[in-house]
Amino acid sequence: NAGVTQTPKFQVLKTGQSMTLQCAQDMNHEYMSWYRQDPGMGLRLIHYSVGAGITDQGEVPNGYNVSRSTTEDFPLRLLSAAPSQTSVYFCASSLNPSGGTEAFFGQGTRLTVV
Amino acid sequence: GENVEQHPSTLSVQEGDSAVIKCTYSDSASNYFPWYKQELGKRPQLIIDIRSNVGEKKDQRIAVTLNKTAKHFSLHITETQPEDSAVYFCAASRARIAGNQFYFGTGTSLTVIP
Repeated sequence: NAGVTQTPKFQVLKTGQSMTLQCAQDMNHEYMSWYRQDPGMGLRLIHYSVGAGITDQGEVPNGYNVSRSTTEDFPLRLLSAAPSQTSVYFCASSLNPSGGTEAFFGQGTRLTVV
Repeated sequence: GENVEQHPSTLSVQEGDSAVIKCTYSDSASNYFPWYKQELGKRPQLIIDIRSNVGEKKDQRIAVTLNKTAKHFSLHITETQPEDSAVYFCAASRARIAGNQFYFGTGTSLTVIP
């Protein structure tokens, strides 16, 4: 069972570069989301999606774009990387977009912007 | 939006002792409260959850209690073992039209001293 798969695991970017973090799940989950994890700040929601073609902003969306063309995939795009985007990024999915179900996390992407 | 506060931020206990982590939430409509364990360099994984129609739930050495009136919930780990050392996150969520958002606490780093 693959679950939620994120790529890459590590990435170093120069300021101003763009990149896409990939996330795929094989559990047929409707709900997918992206979080960033910074020391002492827990997990903060960047963007989320309740189904293919539907996305919405979370708590810290600035500097990031998402799209959801299929149920399985939910890529996160950094448009112009900044040092403040240095963080660990987690993708998560859960079965029921209406609430109350476990979130399954990917293994994380450690991003450093220099 | 929801605000989840978690205390303490760090906790050290002797092996065999109990550990308690507390969280408060602000949105009285929140109805699902999961707890996640994150080992160093790993992804968060669900260890136990509770819904608003239940006051307490137990799974072997782990238990969670919920006080809806006071809007707080707690994680109890008894007979702690070194492998319990990790960061623990509480979260709150509710069913909503725009999608099920998880609001996470800032985490508790638990160290179990052998």
